[in-house]
Amino acid sequence: DAGVIQSPRHEVTEMGQEVTLRCKPISGHDYLFWYRQTMMRGLELLIYFNNNVPIDDSGMPEDRFSAKMPNASFSTLKIQPSEPRDSAVYFCASRGQGAGGYGYTFGSGTRLTVV
Amino acid sequence: AQSVTQLGSHVSVSEGALVLLRCNYSSSVPPYLFWYVQYPNQGLQLLLKYTTGATLVKGINGFEAEFKKSETSFHLTKPSAHMSDAAEYFCAVSDTPDNLFFGTGTRLTVIP
Repeated sequence: DAGVIQSPRHEVTEMGQEVTLRCKPISGHDYLFWYRQTMMRGLELLIYFNNNVPIDDSGMPEDRFSAKMPNASFSTLKIQPSEPRDSAVYFCASRGQGAGGYGYTFGSGTRLTVV
Repeated sequence: AQSVTQLGSHVSVSEGALVLLRCNYSSSVPPYLFWYVQYPNQGLQLLLKYTTGATLVKGINGFEAEFKKSETSFHLTKPSAHMSDAAEYFCAVSDTPDNLFFGTGTRLTVIP
């Protein structure tokens, strides 16, 4: 099991550019979560999916952020246009039913820097 | 509603000393409780979890935590700190699959 795989690990982009973050959850997991981590706000849940369907996107900061999950093995988080305040580490996590106490498995994160 | 309070955003201990990281939770139903560890530039890794049964839970790297319902606490301990334990630790509570609430984290520093 390769775990939750995120790409890229690091992304540096200029303000105004489009950024796409990618996540491959653990095979068989039916929940997928996107989190953002900053020094100021800690870990924030942005959006989560169940069986590829977005369930709660109330944590998405604004319309510049969008997320998709076209199939059970792939999800994207897109920021368009990006702004310096979007600089953060973005984590993807997944969990499966019956995974024992609802614990999540996290990816290694994507460190986004918008200059 | 569920919530988690971690007392102390920074904790420093000497190498070999006891590690105690505090976590109190609020939950309207019997909770599932977790501790995650985050090493620099890495993702969160599950350290241990409480679901049901034995209230003293053992995790990886010599850590353990005890669920105390009467105190609504789930403190993390390790008898003897090691330099490699320096990291950020997050307590979390969940009562449903789509609901995991994290505390604000405690950064542990180990002094040689």
